[in-house]
Amino acid sequence: QVQLQESGPGLVKPSETLSLICTVSGASVRSDYWNWIRQPPGKGQEWIGYVSYSGSTNYNPSLQSRVTMSVDTSKNQFSLRLTSLTAADTAVYYCARQFGSYSSGWGLDYWGQGSLVTVSS
Amino acid sequence: QTVVTQEPSLTVSPGGTVTLTCASSTGAVTSGHYPNWFQQKPGQAPRALIYSTSNKHSWTPARFSGSLLGGKAALTLSGVQPEDEAEYYCLVYYGGVQFGVFGGGTKLTVL
Repeated sequence: QVQLQESGPGLVKPSETLSLICTVSGASVRSDYWNWIRQPPGKGQEWIGYVSYSGSTNYNPSLQSRVTMSVDTSKNQFSLRLTSLTAADTAVYYCARQFGSYSSGWGLDYWGQGSLVTVSS
Repeated sequence: QTVVTQEPSLTVSPGGTVTLTCASSTGAVTSGHYPNWFQQKPGQAPRALIYSTSNKHSWTPARFSGSLLGGKAALTLSGVQPEDEAEYYCLVYYGGVQFGVFGGGTKLTVL
């Protein structure tokens, strides 16, 4: 059974950097694509981006200048780094697996339970 | 800025049928946008229902189906159950899967 678990600080100060890790079990980060999505309180989902098994990345253009994602195959983890935080970055951050191909189609299947990050001084 | 639009809210009676739609500001949604659908209940992570327009995950109940309808992606629930009351989100990919955009969500009430 595939499981994803986010970990990181619950509270971060404005202008600081957020670092989150997603630990994967039941699957290998050496395949597929590994996504980060966030949801501000009471609002909808926002796609942040993904890192592939090979380390290539694609980011939401609105966040691209502040986002870095990477994968650690030795620990079967992938990570999100978001800089220059403001209160608008307060959200539940989810990690999720993206599977598929251009021939069979693409989808997100397994999600973590989410990690609430509050940006406040 | 690309915007994906869903109905803010819909109401359906138990046992009824309802269709939720997902439109793109760039034009018609096609299979090449690989639309996905997710269900989210309060306090829970989203649960994947449909990928690439109409494909179900192994855990997706048979009453859920996905399609393209009038230039939009659509999620149809047939024989709605009380436990289907939830928020539903679509995800549309652009530039292949270069980036994804979620719709604003549809709050489905079963009444």
